[in-house]
Amino acid sequence: DSGVTQTPKHLITATGQRVTLRCSPRSGDLSVYWYQQSLDQGLQFLIQYYNGEERAKGNILERFSAQQFPDLHSELNLSSLELGDSALYFCASSASDGPVEAFFGQGTRLTVV
Amino acid sequence: AQSVTQPDIHITVSEGASLELRCNYSYGATPYLFWYVQSPGQGLQLLLKYFSGDTLVQGIKGFEAEFKRSQSSFNLRKPSVHWSDAAEYFCAVGFSGGYNKLIFGAGTRLAVHP
Repeated sequence: DSGVTQTPKHLITATGQRVTLRCSPRSGDLSVYWYQQSLDQGLQFLIQYYNGEERAKGNILERFSAQQFPDLHSELNLSSLELGDSALYFCASSASDGPVEAFFGQGTRLTVV
Repeated sequence: AQSVTQPDIHITVSEGASLELRCNYSYGATPYLFWYVQSPGQGLQLLLKYFSGDTLVQGIKGFEAEFKRSQSSFNLRKPSVHWSDAAEYFCAVGFSGGYNKLIFGAGTRLAVHP
């Protein structure tokens, strides 16, 4: 158990809908990262938050957004969902923004039908 | 642009045999290097990491990796594979200013024959 909690574990929704994925980082970790794992794109970095502020952006679509709350949990919002958004979404956390280990949650599997 | 290449998509070894998974990266400076393992339906678990210092790095579960700057490689090795090692293995690169904004390779799926 990495200490990173993601909910829900599975999500099935229809095209055009909006969903919210939630991540609780390890106790004390200030940095949260979101990754998408799909069959065609592999594992891709989406976005990073550090202590409530956006720190880095990767290949995140405009239909996707994220935030980190004062209690340090994070949410990834996916809207106007398309079939191609079906993927495993991982959250990871680390103690700082420096070269320290990141711990991954078990992911949320999103299926868009 | 930074990139990570894992040349082998699938590898099959016999239990007890040695293992080497290859990883090459493209980056102008010394990167931060990681190997993660993903078992079916599970998240990613860090096996080992290289930030600096000794280029031979020991990790969990009996794995080790060697950073070779001249070859831009960070290959993962294990002297004797166990059936429980069957999983997918990912090499990843982080870099100064984006330590955990990781760039992952495509992964190598390891199958272990009894």
